[in-house]
Amino acid sequence: EAQVTQNPRYLITVTGKKLTVTCSQNMNHEYMSWYRQDPGLGLRQIYYSMNVEVTDKGDVPEGYKVSRKEKRNFPLILESPSPNQTSLYFCASSLGGFSSYEQYFGPGTRLTVT
Amino acid sequence: GQNIDQPTEMTATEGAIVQINCTYQTSGFNGLFWYQQHAGEAPTFLSYNVLDGLEEKGRFSSFLSRSKGYSYLLLKELQMKDSASYLCAPSGNTPLVFGKGTRLSVIA
Repeated sequence: EAQVTQNPRYLITVTGKKLTVTCSQNMNHEYMSWYRQDPGLGLRQIYYSMNVEVTDKGDVPEGYKVSRKEKRNFPLILESPSPNQTSLYFCASSLGGFSSYEQYFGPGTRLTVT
Repeated sequence: GQNIDQPTEMTATEGAIVQINCTYQTSGFNGLFWYQQHAGEAPTFLSYNVLDGLEEKGRFSSFLSRSKGYSYLLLKELQMKDSASYLCAPSGNTPLVFGKGTRLSVIA
């Protein structure tokens, strides 16, 4: 089944404790992206990747890191999480550029930072 | 930059027709996406309009006017399962930006 998977689905952590949210897709898609979704603010892009070893900042990259060492994986790293990073996170992938191709979203990771 | 405007909430009756509007300003406009998102779930793709006019896909249709910076999503024969948020996303030179979404409630 074609899908985007994320782990963990739920995470409660404390300020400053490094964490990684994994994302994997099995559709051989070139493009991958991370979003966060907050009430009243909608879906905002954090980082995106156009191919292996090619990443770029989205609208809200501060406090996040990403890597794309393999085509299928695009982990999101929070090196020192803070409470304002409490949010619902989605990973997405698409066959081509986001401006022309539909994105397939993972199920989401609900992160709480205390 | 981008500016996207869509109503925050709408309510409609089961079996009725509802139109969700989206106005936008974006540089280097390519096309416009609509996504559906049920509460607590991931967004799923509904449509992508590049050319002006109406595109129909079953009970859902999407309209685009490039010159007016305007799009709408038309949902016919509403069902309870259509209760969800509908996200408008115009694409252009910048990374894709989503509108804040319109929360549609379908009532009996």
